[in-house]
Amino acid sequence: KAGVTQTPRYLIKTRGQQVTLSCSPISGHRSVSWYQQTPGQGLQFLFEYFSETQRNKGNFPGRFSGRQFSNSRSEMNVSTLELGDSALYLCASSSQGPWNTEAFFGQGTRLTVV
Amino acid sequence: LAKTTQPISMDSYEGQEVNITCSHNNIATNDYITWYQQFPSQGPRFIIQGYKTKVTNEVASLFIPADRKSSTLSLPRVSLSDTAVYYCLVGSTGTASKLTFGTGTRLQVTL
Repeated sequence: KAGVTQTPRYLIKTRGQQVTLSCSPISGHRSVSWYQQTPGQGLQFLFEYFSETQRNKGNFPGRFSGRQFSNSRSEMNVSTLELGDSALYLCASSSQGPWNTEAFFGQGTRLTVV
Repeated sequence: LAKTTQPISMDSYEGQEVNITCSHNNIATNDYITWYQQFPSQGPRFIIQGYKTKVTNEVASLFIPADRKSSTLSLPRVSLSDTAVYYCLVGSTGTASKLTFGTGTRLQVTL
C-alpha cells in the first residue's frame, strides 16, 4: 500500500512569511501527527489530529497550527516565520495514534527560512 | 511529562548483539514505549512497541522492567545496515499527555 506522502519535499521561505505543508496518510488511517526535527532540539511533537479533531498538542507557539480533512489528509501551517523555524517537518499516520500503535512516517518537508 | 535520556552514541561490530537503554523516570501509568530507527534524509521507521515486560518481533526485543522507568532495545546480530539513529518514544493519548522523544542514539556498526 502507498506510504505517507508529504509535499513539498523542500521549501525556502523568507522571515515573516507563512507556509503550509501537506501530509497524505496511509489509506484507512485516521490519526495524523506532526513533528519538528532540528539538530539542536531533536524530534519534537507538534500536534496530532484524529478524525478531523486536534486531539493532542505539544509545546509550540500558536504560530504553528494544523487541520485535518474528512479524507484524513492533514495540513500544517506556520505563520510569521522565524529563522528558528528552519527544520525538517515530519508527519506520521497511524490507525489509532502514535503512542500505542505503529506510526508510519513520511520523508518530511525540509523548510529553510532565510 | 516523561523526560527520556539515551546514550548519544554506540559502536558495535557486525554480528554482535546491541542493547540500547532509554531512561524515562517519570513515565506515566498510561504511557507506552516505542522505538524508532532513522536513516539520514528519511523519516523514522517503527521498530517495536511495548507497555511492560518483554516484547519480541522479527527484528528486535524490548525489555521493560517492572517499574517501567527504563527500557532496553535489543538488536540481535547487527549488520552494517543497522547503522542509524535510534529513538525511544514515551507517551499516551489524552489532553494532558504529550509524546516525548529521546535524544537519539547514533549506532555505528563496523566490520
